[in-house]
Amino acid sequence: NAGVTQTPKFRVLKTGQSMTLLCAQDMNHEYMYWYRQDPGMGLRLIHYSVGEGTTAKGEVPDGYNVSRLKKQNFLLGLESAAPSQTSVYFCAIYSGALTDTQYFGPGTRLTVL
Amino acid sequence: AQSVAQPEDQVNVAEGNPLTVKCTYSVSGNPYLFWYVQYPNRGLQFLLKYITGDNLVKGSYGFEAEFNKSQTSFHLKKPSALVSDSALYFCAVPRRGGYNKLIFGAGTRLAVHP
Repeated sequence: NAGVTQTPKFRVLKTGQSMTLLCAQDMNHEYMYWYRQDPGMGLRLIHYSVGEGTTAKGEVPDGYNVSRLKKQNFLLGLESAAPSQTSVYFCAIYSGALTDTQYFGPGTRLTVL
Repeated sequence: AQSVAQPEDQVNVAEGNPLTVKCTYSVSGNPYLFWYVQYPNRGLQFLLKYITGDNLVKGSYGFEAEFNKSQTSFHLKKPSALVSDSALYFCAVPRRGGYNKLIFGAGTRLAVHP
């Protein structure tokens, strides 16, 4: 996974609860991304960051917030979880122009009851 | 708008036979195209990419992909399938607007039978 870690690996929430997913990289990459994976829909971009202190909306940002206070960490927050947010969440980093590739973390499986 | 389509939900192939996983694309400008693989309970792993040059791109684990501009296709191929190739395969293209944001196809599940 090219040094991309995600915590937790699994989580079960009740509707209305909040939580934060952590993505950490042990390299020095600028670009980081949060995707969600749902059956038959591939991966969809939630939010992304192009550097410390910056965030931007992706394709499906509603219901999520993000922060990039430190370059190594990209946090994804759910303020009030809904069953529609049951999904597998993946963090990714962009390796830079030399290899021009995204590397993904192992994923977090979230169930909202 | 940029998009990719994977017309098959699942592909079944016998071990030792050649395999093809299909992808078609719609992009403006020169296409950048990627293939990723996801093994069970794992994150996505990069397989190969096409940027420019030869239409046949070689990647990891013996996979290759053929870029066909006239058919707007980028099919993933392997001459001899292994049971261990069984996984979920995604085709992807960068979203317009920079920052290497990717748009993924819905995925194709490859099942290789002994």
